[in-house]
Amino acid sequence: DIQMTQSPASLSASLGETVTIECRASEDIYSNLAWYQQKPGNSPQLLIYDANSLADGVPSRFSGSGSGTQYSLKINSLQSEDVASYFCQQYNNYPYTFGAGTKLELK
Amino acid sequence: EVQLVESGGGLVKPGSSLKLSCVASGFTFSSYGMHWIRQAPKKGLEWIALIYYDSSNKYYADSVKGRFTISRDNSKNTLYLEMNSLRSEDTAMYYCAKDELGFDYWGQGVMVTVSS
Repeated sequence: DIQMTQSPASLSASLGETVTIECRASEDIYSNLAWYQQKPGNSPQLLIYDANSLADGVPSRFSGSGSGTQYSLKINSLQSEDVASYFCQQYNNYPYTFGAGTKLELK
Repeated sequence: EVQLVESGGGLVKPGSSLKLSCVASGFTFSSYGMHWIRQAPKKGLEWIALIYYDSSNKYYADSVKGRFTISRDNSKNTLYLEMNSLRSEDTAMYYCAKDELGFDYWGQGVMVTVSS
């Protein structure tokens, strides 16, 4: 199984700040990577697919990058509504696997 | 508008069985693979099963293989998860999700609690 190592586990940032979340795969996943946002009490929502493509309706302050085994999610100009947990997920091989998540809070 | 609505969850005893349903609308259900994903309380996400659009292939996580069965009825736009020999560690919110470049749409989830 492909292991997805996500960091940091938690993050505290100020409004307007830029934050970056990292995800490392245990083997090459050829950019078959998605990022999800989950707000408390809600189901996850797709933010990014194919490592760097923005899902429909997602604000442009969210962006994804990376290749091979290293990927990142960047949030520019942090807004209050971005407080949530974020998960990476690989869909290159079965079983599909997720990172452990990053909890983003406001400072 | 794409909608996925799960049902069938509840409180059951260890060793029991339960069948979850997920009714889909707003897209051509018969054209897409579908997944079940679960999330234990205060924990991360775990993918557990996939079924191809035509039921020709099914894949399972090792944690549920042999106990859970994924199926679908394209005439009813409905996805199922039959869960047998339930254990306390199966306690989780269960989500169905549509297969498109990851999971592009998720249901609201249904809670399954396994406890004596």
